[in-house]
Amino acid sequence: AQSVTQPDIHITVSEGASLELRCNYSYGATPYLFWYVQSPGQGLQLLLKYFSGDTLVQGIKGFEAEFKRSQSSFNLRKPSVHWSDAAEYFCAVAYGNTGKLIFGQGTTLQVKP
Amino acid sequence: DAGVIQSPRHEVTEMGQEVTLRCKPISGHDYLFWYRQTMMRGLELLIYFNNNVPIDDSGMPEDRFSAKMPNASFSTLKIQPSEPRDSAVYFCASSLAGSTDTQYFGPGTRLTVL
Repeated sequence: AQSVTQPDIHITVSEGASLELRCNYSYGATPYLFWYVQSPGQGLQLLLKYFSGDTLVQGIKGFEAEFKRSQSSFNLRKPSVHWSDAAEYFCAVAYGNTGKLIFGQGTTLQVKP
Repeated sequence: DAGVIQSPRHEVTEMGQEVTLRCKPISGHDYLFWYRQTMMRGLELLIYFNNNVPIDDSGMPEDRFSAKMPNASFSTLKIQPSEPRDSAVYFCASSLAGSTDTQYFGPGTRLTVL
């Protein structure tokens, strides 16, 4: 079955430290990959997406993600975390053009001052 | 653009009552999605529409749930009768194209069924 796994439910990093959030997917073909962020009490906002081409994609707020086909992964990174980055992060996969996004369970990021 | 608009933002109701959640997508978007978010099950797609036509409702939990999109600028998600296990945050999202396009989410409706 198609699935998305975010192995880390909760991550705490110090402000200014680097960040990597993991995402693994299960799918036979090349999927369309997304990272969304959800601040408390708000809807989801797209950070970045990958469809094809360069496997390193840049997004908003200084985030980037790298698609690794051999590892079925699409990890999100940021070189220096800001306190305002504290939120919940969701990896999502779309399969073909079915209109359906499959979301991971989310990773909650806490930023220590 | 005002973004995706959902109403109400909060709804508290008693078990057995009918609940109607409303969504106004971004103008010009052809796709509309309804999601439910709970601690236990995460973010689940309930149903989505393309050009006002329901395409996939396989995520609708049971017959108590129904969704309509009478025109391009309005959709409703109805629960009748409501049960405590329906308590969740319900999100509406819209996009220009299908799943390959960015989905823009509304702020959500937090539903509490007592």
